[in-house]
Amino acid sequence: DGGITQSPKYLFRKEGQNVTLSCEQNLNHDAMYWYRQDPGQGLRLIYYSQIVNDFQKGDIAEGYSVSREKKESFPLTVTSAQKNPTAFYLCASSQSGSGGVDTGELFFGEGSRLTVL
Amino acid sequence: GQNIDQPTEMTATEGAIVQINCTYQTSGFNGLFWYQQHAGEAPTFLSYNVLDGLEEKGRFSSFLSRSKGYSYLLLKELQMKDSASYLCVCKAAGNKLTFGGGTRVLVKP
Repeated sequence: DGGITQSPKYLFRKEGQNVTLSCEQNLNHDAMYWYRQDPGQGLRLIYYSQIVNDFQKGDIAEGYSVSREKKESFPLTVTSAQKNPTAFYLCASSQSGSGGVDTGELFFGEGSRLTVL
Repeated sequence: GQNIDQPTEMTATEGAIVQINCTYQTSGFNGLFWYQQHAGEAPTFLSYNVLDGLEEKGRFSSFLSRSKGYSYLLLKELQMKDSASYLCVCKAAGNKLTFGGGTRVLVKP
């Protein structure tokens, strides 16, 4: 079945450690996104990539890094520079990055819940 | 700038109807999505409106008025499984999406 797979589902991290969240899609989508969700708030965009080997900062990129070496994969690293990393992280993809006939509908992974101890 | 307002929480009875309103101020507005999100899970697509009017899909309907910057999601014949958060999402040029904070709907027996 086509879809987006995130791992791990739950992750605990000590302060000062970097962690990497995995996101893989087999939908053949060009665009991939990372969002952060905090209680009572809308999803906030961390990074996005419209094409392989290219990515752009979203609204809250500080303390995060990404790579897009393959179309299927868009891992997110939460670095020790992120001051408040405890959150629910959602990866998503869409058919195309911009314009065209694509509506821009997002397909989401199951999410990764990161807790800093 | 982008600004989306929707109520934080609503309560309704099983079998009833609930209407979730969303007002927005979005530069370059180009469409509006509604997503459903159960607690601790990923959002799932419900509807997409780009033109004014009502889109009906089973028990769920979504309405858009571009001139008023207003949309609503109508849930009919409420079921317990409809208890979830409902996210209003505006699209601007380049498929840039802005999410509202979500409306948590609690369905009571």
